[in-house]
Amino acid sequence: DSGVTQTPKHLITATGQRVTLRCSPRSGDLSVYWYQQSLDQGLQFLIQYYNGEERAKGNILERFSAQQFPDLHSELNLSSLELGDSALYFCASSPGLAGGAQYFGPGTRLLVL
Amino acid sequence: SQKIEQNSEALNIQEGKTATLTCNYTNYSPAYLQWYRQDPGRGPVFLLLIRENEKEKRKERLKVTFDTTLKQSLFHITASQPADSATYLCALVPNQAGTALIFGKGTTLSVSS
Repeated sequence: DSGVTQTPKHLITATGQRVTLRCSPRSGDLSVYWYQQSLDQGLQFLIQYYNGEERAKGNILERFSAQQFPDLHSELNLSSLELGDSALYFCASSPGLAGGAQYFGPGTRLLVL
Repeated sequence: SQKIEQNSEALNIQEGKTATLTCNYTNYSPAYLQWYRQDPGRGPVFLLLIRENEKEKRKERLKVTFDTTLKQSLFHITASQPADSATYLCALVPNQAGTALIFGKGTTLSVSS
């Protein structure tokens, strides 16, 4: 158990809908990262927050947004969902801004029908 | 273009042998490189981190080397066991100023008894 929690574990929704994925980092970790993993693309970095502020952005679609709250939990919002958004979404956390191991949550499996 | 390449084919070895996995990168100048283990449907688990000024790092049966001239890292598991069967991911921060990890697509290791 990494200490990172993600909810929900599974999500089934329809195209065009909007969903919110939630992540609670390990106690004391200030950085939260979001990744998307699909079979053909591997693990893709989406976005990083550090102590409430956005710090790095990967190939995150404009339809996707995220935020980190004062209690350090984070939410990833996916809107106007498409079939291709079906994937595993992982959250990870680390103590600092950069330079160390990242601790991954169990993931949310999203299926868009 | 920037690339991280790992053995695309699965690696099958017998119990007790040493498994060697390769990670090559192109057009990155990473300050450090990390290795993760991922089991099907689960989040990656951090194994080892090696910095650019370190040639080798060990942890129990695991050994990582990092050659910045060859732009390559090797990951060794000695005395392999069936429980070592998993996908192993190489990851790096693209440059000295970066904070986000870029992952390779991983190599699947299968250890048979």
